[in-house]
Amino acid sequence: AQSVSQHNHHVILSEAASLELGCNYSYGGTVNLFWYVQYPGQHLQLLLKYFSGDPLVKGIKGFEAEFIKSKFSFNLRKPSVQWSDTAEYFCAVRRDSGYALNFGKGTSLLVTP
Amino acid sequence: GAVVSQHPSRVICKSGTSVKIECRSLDFQATTMFWYRQFPKQSLMLMATSNEGSKATYEQGVEKDKFLINHASLTLSTLTVTSAHPEDSSFYICSASAPLAGGQETQYFGPGTRLLVL
Repeated sequence: AQSVSQHNHHVILSEAASLELGCNYSYGGTVNLFWYVQYPGQHLQLLLKYFSGDPLVKGIKGFEAEFIKSKFSFNLRKPSVQWSDTAEYFCAVRRDSGYALNFGKGTSLLVTP
Repeated sequence: GAVVSQHPSRVICKSGTSVKIECRSLDFQATTMFWYRQFPKQSLMLMATSNEGSKATYEQGVEKDKFLINHASLTLSTLTVTSAHPEDSSFYICSASAPLAGGQETQYFGPGTRLLVL
């Protein structure tokens, strides 16, 4: 069975600091990879996704993620965070279209002014 | 585009009653919808996969007779919590798969339904 690990459960950063959230998965075959964000009191929103091709994907709000197949990783990055980035971030993996997502436990990000 | 709605957003019910939660894809047709449960400060746990016109596939440990899922059309799936008990209190979230160009099918999530069973 697939598993998804997010290493950082709570992250606190000052505004303008750089962000990197780790995500590793266990499935060995072809995978689709996603990062979702959940702002306080809101529903999950898609930040970015990787299906194939360029392993460096750019998403909304200045976020990007890099798929490193050899490391089974899909880390999320942002060069300079803002207070409005305070949210819960979830990494999700699935085997292919039509399959359900397996979610990591989430990382709670707090950005202080 | 790709908006998913849920109704109601929150519901309080007495123990032993049944509660129906609706999930709609507003601007696309979803052949597959998923139901998740999210506990406070925790991740989403998949409960079942719902395909239009067929029986839902439940995850291990999820009682299909307690959590009835109906996917009657390409834009509507319902989850009915039957004979609800306090331990069923949770945040229920649905998602719908939207087929996109290039075969990049992506799941879009509803806003969730907060269920409190007294």
